Amino acid sequence: DTAVSQTPKYLVTQMGNDKSIKCEQNLGHDTMYWYKQDSKKFLKIMFSYNNKELIINETVPNRFSPKSPDKAHLNLHINSLELGDSAVYFCASSPGQGAGGYTFGSGTRLTVV
Amino acid sequence: DQQVKQNSPSLSVQEGRISILNCDYTNSMFDYFLWYKKYPAEGPTFLISISSIKDKNEDGRFTVFLNKSAKHLSLHIVPSQPGDSAVYFCAASASYNQGGKLIFGQGTELSVKP
Repeated sequence: DTAVSQTPKYLVTQMGNDKSIKCEQNLGHDTMYWYKQDSKKFLKIMFSYNNKELIINETVPNRFSPKSPDKAHLNLHINSLELGDSAVYFCASSPGQGAGGYTFGSGTRLTVV
Repeated sequence: DQQVKQNSPSLSVQEGRISILNCDYTNSMFDYFLWYKKYPAEGPTFLISISSIKDKNEDGRFTVFLNKSAKHLSLHIVPSQPGDSAVYFCAASASYNQGGKLIFGQGTELSVKP
């Protein structure tokens, strides 16, 4: 009964590959997010979706493509993976478009070799 | 250009004493501030928040203080317990921002020693 679940938890892949990370929330929230935690530990927003509509696209390379088939799911597809994409990616959801009520997933550690 | 900064990467405190974690911000448009706690291999979990119309918010052992003129907030934990050992992230938001965007600091790792 995990509120925000993302899979896989760990992902090791070679440069140039394409990979996807899946995220699902069972909280009935309208807004979902992807955040990236880089090597300097900062958590930075990448995307937010509200009811399947893209709200924030934070100048992320277009190799990153979010897909929201319904408001409970927000998947992240990454094409042509680069070494610099290695990071921990966190999915989150919130009831509305305000900053309160965020629930984070446990993260996906992506390592590109 | 980091708009939210936590200048202490780590803090060590004795059990039972007070822990004070600090956070500075630069954007005067921020009007809502949050603290998150993170254990290894888990996502951040919400701890406490404060609106810019207040200067203090308290929830049990946790109190957040906001000094708008100094663009500074702090989290006080008293008394500290070993289970409080985690990374604490400060985050800020501006209500003009659509989409609920949070700007995070880089975290402070708190270690509470028995």
